[in-house]
Amino acid sequence: NAGVTQTPKFQVLKTGQSMTLQCAQDMNHNSMYWYRQDPGMGLRLIYYSASEGTTDKGEVPNGYNVSRLNKREFSLRLESAAPSQTSVYFCASSEEGHLKLFFGSGTQLSVL
Amino acid sequence: AQSVAQPEDQVNVAEGNPLTVKCTYSVSGNPYLFWYVQYPNRGLQFLLKYITGDNLVKGSYGFEAEFNKSQTSFHLKKPSALVSDSALYFCADSTLTFGKGTMLLVSP
Repeated sequence: NAGVTQTPKFQVLKTGQSMTLQCAQDMNHNSMYWYRQDPGMGLRLIYYSASEGTTDKGEVPNGYNVSRLNKREFSLRLESAAPSQTSVYFCASSEEGHLKLFFGSGTQLSVL
Repeated sequence: AQSVAQPEDQVNVAEGNPLTVKCTYSVSGNPYLFWYVQYPNRGLQFLLKYITGDNLVKGSYGFEAEFNKSQTSFHLKKPSALVSDSALYFCADSTLTFGKGTMLLVSP
């Protein structure tokens, strides 16, 4: 059972480049989430999807877009990367609302 | 304003001693509260949750947490720390808000 799988694990971008972070879960969970983790800031919610076909903004959505492709997959896109988006990105899923999140192992993104 | 807060950036404890990692909350009504642990270069793992009922909640790896409504706290505890407990600990609530994290360092 793989749980929550994120790709890629590492990525280096130049300012202005675009990329998509992929996330897939095999636990048949309804809800999925994207967080970013920065030193001294903890985890901050970027976007979440309560169910297939719905997405909602979190605390820090600016500069990001998301797509809930199907029940399994929830992607995060940076259209024009900025150095302020250098961070570790975590995808998570949950079966029972927001009561227990399962996290992927993260994507370390550097924007130069 | 953040609905959960972790007042300590780091907690140091000797192996075998009891440990406490503090969390306070400001969610109104009956809060749902959680603890997660993050080992180096890994994603977060769920430890335990408080929804309702007993104020003392038991979780994974021998951890427990005490919900205290009068002090608006939800501190994580373990009677006897292990070196392998060294990790980053996060408190969270049901609004998907996480605290800034507390690094726990257990020395041999």
